[in-house]
Amino acid sequence: QVQLVQSGAEVKTPGASVKVSCKASGYTFTDHYMHWVRQAPGQGLEWMGWINPNSGGTNYAQKFQGRVTMTRDTSISTAYMQLSSLRSDDTAVYYCARMVRGGLDYWGQGTLVTVSS
Amino acid sequence: EIVLTQSPGTLSLSPGERATLSCRASQSVGSTYLAWYQQKPGQAPRLLIYGASSGATGIPDRFSGSGSGTDFTLTISRLEPEDFAVYYCQQYGSSLTFGGGTKVEIK
Repeated sequence: QVQLVQSGAEVKTPGASVKVSCKASGYTFTDHYMHWVRQAPGQGLEWMGWINPNSGGTNYAQKFQGRVTMTRDTSISTAYMQLSSLRSDDTAVYYCARMVRGGLDYWGQGTLVTVSS
Repeated sequence: EIVLTQSPGTLSLSPGERATLSCRASQSVGSTYLAWYQQKPGQAPRLLIYGASSGATGIPDRFSGSGSGTDFTLTISRLEPEDFAVYYCQQYGSSLTFGGGTKVEIK
């Protein structure tokens, strides 16, 4: 069965960076783009970008350009999302999700990133 | 960037009633790339509909999607207790955007 398992919760100070991992299993990792979506407390869903696990190519939402880096390690079927220069309004649950036919069909369990001094 | 506007913001209905949720796009969206999700508190979103009208795996047939161009609809034919949740539409073109969500609450 398809599973996306994310790394655990993080607490960071303003200005720091965070790197969240997303380990895929149950399917061929390189067959599907991986997207990252975040959700601030009590708010809606916000798309951050995607990575093509096959080529390593990326496409980031304009809002996060220059602050986000998405990478992957195909040897361990894991995608990564690094966000730098963290601010308090980056406090959110961060999700990875697999895209199939224009929809995100499997999601990780979410990683809570708290930014606080 | 395509902006998706969902209405109403909140829908108050009773179990057994029909729910009709709207998603309007700021410019035309290819039907292939319009999806709907359900999210319950503390859970990741769950894909319900992709390609505007195709049900995702394991989704009950009381959930249906329709529409094209700039106007899309998610219909829940008869609300079950487990259907009270927040629903999001999403489009995927050169970038991906979500609507602001519709909360379906128990009346």
